[in-house]
Amino acid sequence: AQSVTQLGSHVSVSEGALVLLRCNYSSSVPPYLFWYVQYPNQGLQLLLKYTTGATLVKGINGFEAEFKKSETSFHLTKPSAHMSDAAEYFCAVSKTGTYKYIFGTGTRLKVLA
Amino acid sequence: DVKVTQSSRYLVKRTGEKVFLECVQDMDHENMFWYRQDPGLGLRLIYFSYDVKMKEKGDIPEGYSVSREKKERFSLILESASTNQTSMYLCASSRGRAGNTEAFFGQGTRLTVV
Repeated sequence: AQSVTQLGSHVSVSEGALVLLRCNYSSSVPPYLFWYVQYPNQGLQLLLKYTTGATLVKGINGFEAEFKKSETSFHLTKPSAHMSDAAEYFCAVSKTGTYKYIFGTGTRLKVLA
Repeated sequence: DVKVTQSSRYLVKRTGEKVFLECVQDMDHENMFWYRQDPGLGLRLIYFSYDVKMKEKGDIPEGYSVSREKKERFSLILESASTNQTSMYLCASSRGRAGNTEAFFGQGTRLTVV
């Protein structure tokens, strides 16, 4: 069965510092991977996704993620945090032949001035 | 601009009431989902539908039912609301069955059962 693990339910970084949010997945077949962001009292918005092709995926707001099959990871990074990045981030996985998504438990990012 | 619209942002209902949460999407998507979001638990799938009048149970269907009479509309029904159903409810939709398309989410309905 597929599953998603997000290490760290809360992450704090200083403004201008590197953001690294971790996501590991388990899947018996090549997965499709997604990162979503949720601002307070809002729905989820897609940041980026990996389906096939280049393993380094660039998304909105300066975020990117790298699919590493050998490590079963899809970590989200941003070189320089901005106050507006404070939000909750969710990693999700799906696979061919299914229309269901499995979500991680989320990581709340706090950006310190 | 694609949209998933949930009928209410905030709802307060009494224990035992029948509650309807409505969701409409304008993208002609085949798939629609209802999730429940609780702190520390992430998003948990309640029900999903892959076609009109078709539905499947998700991970936590107990105490809920759904209705999809038209492609664009997916309703979540709490037959008899209880305080443990106080939560944020998120509706989403997606296209196809290849698995490689993203879900689009509504703004969420924060339900409080008193």
